[in-house]
Amino acid sequence: QKEVEQNSGPLSVPEGAIASLNCTYSDRGSQSFFWYRQYSGKSPELIMFIYSNGDKEDGRFTAQLNKASQYVSLLIRDSQPSDSATYLCAVSEDFGNEKLTFGTGTRLTIIP
Amino acid sequence: DAGVTQSPTHLIKTRGQHVTLRCSPISGHKSVSWYQQVLGQGPQFIFQYYEKEERGRGNFPDRFSARQFPNYSSELNVNALLLGDSALYLCASSLSGSSEAFFGQGTRLTVV
Repeated sequence: QKEVEQNSGPLSVPEGAIASLNCTYSDRGSQSFFWYRQYSGKSPELIMFIYSNGDKEDGRFTAQLNKASQYVSLLIRDSQPSDSATYLCAVSEDFGNEKLTFGTGTRLTIIP
Repeated sequence: DAGVTQSPTHLIKTRGQHVTLRCSPISGHKSVSWYQQVLGQGPQFIFQYYEKEERGRGNFPDRFSARQFPNYSSELNVNALLLGDSALYLCASSLSGSSEAFFGQGTRLTVV
């Protein structure tokens, strides 16, 4: 059974610091990797996606992928209180398959 | 531009009843997926439809069924409701050939 593992947290980070969120996955054949942000009572919102090994940066967010280690991470620089949310890691079998396997999410709290 | 829209937003049903949830994808998106999110967990994949054909099914009982219409909107049906079916039901749409899924606001189903 395909699994995506995340530390459930809560993870507390001071405002302005770097928040580091981690995710491991079991299916070595996974091709697409996603980070979603979910505020309490709301639906998940896509933040980043990454397909290739290495880093991908978008504003304050950096996704890192290491397929050999089956590891995905999300870095949030200059953390803001509005970043407080649950972050979901999701994995897909291939580029054309929207069937996402999600982790349970990491609850992040930014402390002012 | 309208995002993914789901109806109703909230619903209360009694055990044993049937429920129909509706989803309209983003304009131009031909793929619709359904997910169930129980409180404190990540979303779990239920169904994927593309061009009115079922493309994937998650590990859910036959009480769950879905369909996609010619205008790419979709319905999720659940028969013989159980207390454990209480959850947030999410619809996601995506362009054909892309795994970047965008979620609707969800339908909060409570079974009493």
